[in-house]
Amino acid sequence: QQQVKQSPQSLIVQKGGISIINCAYENTAFDYFPWYQQFPGKGPALLIAIRPDVSEKKEGRFTISFNKSAKQFSLHIMDSQPGDSATYFCAAKGSSSNTGKLIFGQGTTLQVKP
Amino acid sequence: ETGVTQTPRHLVMGMTNKKSLKCEQHLGHNAMYWYKQSAKKPLELMFVYNFKEQTENNSVPSRFSPECPNSSHLFLHLHTLQPEDSALYLCASSHARLAGYEQYFGPGTRLTVT
Repeated sequence: QQQVKQSPQSLIVQKGGISIINCAYENTAFDYFPWYQQFPGKGPALLIAIRPDVSEKKEGRFTISFNKSAKQFSLHIMDSQPGDSATYFCAAKGSSSNTGKLIFGQGTTLQVKP
Repeated sequence: ETGVTQTPRHLVMGMTNKKSLKCEQHLGHNAMYWYKQSAKKPLELMFVYNFKEQTENNSVPSRFSPECPNSSHLFLHLHTLQPEDSALYLCASSHARLAGYEQYFGPGTRLTVT
């Protein structure tokens, strides 16, 4: 069973702090690792993504760090803001999948306190 | 209307009812997806359609019946559901050639089975 394990389940961070969410996978045949952000009452939206040939990708305050040998990747939110309070999902796509199948983590609910 | 829309947003149905969920995408995409989102569980892919053809059925019980009459519309027909089917049902779409790389989600239908 392909799995992506995400931690922590919930996270509280002070405004201006760094939020870190971790994911680990088992299948080495994944070739794309997106992070989705979901606000209450909304569907998930693609936030940032990385391919396994890159160790880090940064977009604004959001950075993905990727460790291929450890089969782990993480999302770092720098200077966290109350508007970042949402649920974050990591995911992985199989390299042999051409149907768009993504394996999602369990989600992390982030609360940024003002 | 823009993006991916879903109707109804909330649905309460008895175990013997028959109802349908509707999804419409206004993004010119040609792949559409149904996901189930339950509390504290990963998003579960249910079905994938590429160019109106079903390309993925993730071992979904037959009480869920999808229909994709064209690339812009996707339905999920429900009958004889169980209380454990209560969840948020999300529709998503993407370009088929980018399947898995960027999926656009609707806001979901919150389903309660009584």
